[in-house]
Amino acid sequence: NAGVTQTPKFQVLKTGQSMTLQCAQDMNHEYMSWYRQDPGMGLRLIHYSVGAGITDQGEVPNGYNVSRSTTEDFPLRLLSAAPSQTSVYFCASSKGNTIYFGEGSWLTVV
Amino acid sequence: AQSVTQPDIHITVSEGASLELRCNYSYGATPYLFWYVQSPGQGLQLLLKYFSGDTLVQGIKGFEAEFKRSQSSFNLRKPSVHWSDAAEYFCAVGAGNNDMRFGAGTRLTVKP
Repeated sequence: NAGVTQTPKFQVLKTGQSMTLQCAQDMNHEYMSWYRQDPGMGLRLIHYSVGAGITDQGEVPNGYNVSRSTTEDFPLRLLSAAPSQTSVYFCASSKGNTIYFGEGSWLTVV
Repeated sequence: AQSVTQPDIHITVSEGASLELRCNYSYGATPYLFWYVQSPGQGLQLLLKYFSGDTLVQGIKGFEAEFKRSQSSFNLRKPSVHWSDAAEYFCAVGAGNNDMRFGAGTRLTVKP
C-alpha cells in the first residue's frame, strides 16, 4: 500500500529559487494537508484542502502556495525560497479525524 | 485556543523498563487525542487515538494511553520498552482535520 507519497525526499535550494514538493495519495481521501516540522516546535499546518479545487491557509502559510486539481495530488510550491523555510515538510491525507503522513521532505535553503 | 504540552524533551529508559510519556492539553471542548511516533528519517505513524468512550485506549506496538479529563492529560505508557521503541513521540489534539495541534515531541532513548 503506497499511502501518501512525497517527492523529493531531500532538496537543497539557493535563496530566491523556486521549487515544488509533490504529494500524492492513493486512499481517495478528500482532505489533504501540508505541515512543516521544526526542532522544538512540533508540526505546524501550512495549507490544507478539503477536496479538489478547494484550498485554505493553515497556521504558517506565508511563502507557500498550493493547488488541488485532483483528489490524489496536492503539491506545495515555494515561489522564492528563504533560509527560514529550511525545514522538514510532511504531506498528509485524512479520513475522519485520523491523519496519515508521508515520509517527509528535507529541505535546506542556503 | 488549543495547545499541547509535552513537558519532557528527552527521556532515557533501560530496555525492559516501563515508560510513561506525558502530554497535557488545553482545549475548549471534548478533544480528540492522538499519539504519533516518528522514527529517524521517517514520517509519523499513528500509535493510538481517543475520541470517546473508555478512557484507556490500546494502540499498536504494545502502547496504551489514558485520558484524564480532570488533569487535561493523555499520557502514553508501555510496560516494557524494547530497543526498537527509540524514536520521537508526538501528542496531538484537535477536533477536525485543520484543527490539529501537535506537541513539540519527546525523544526516547533506550539503553541496552
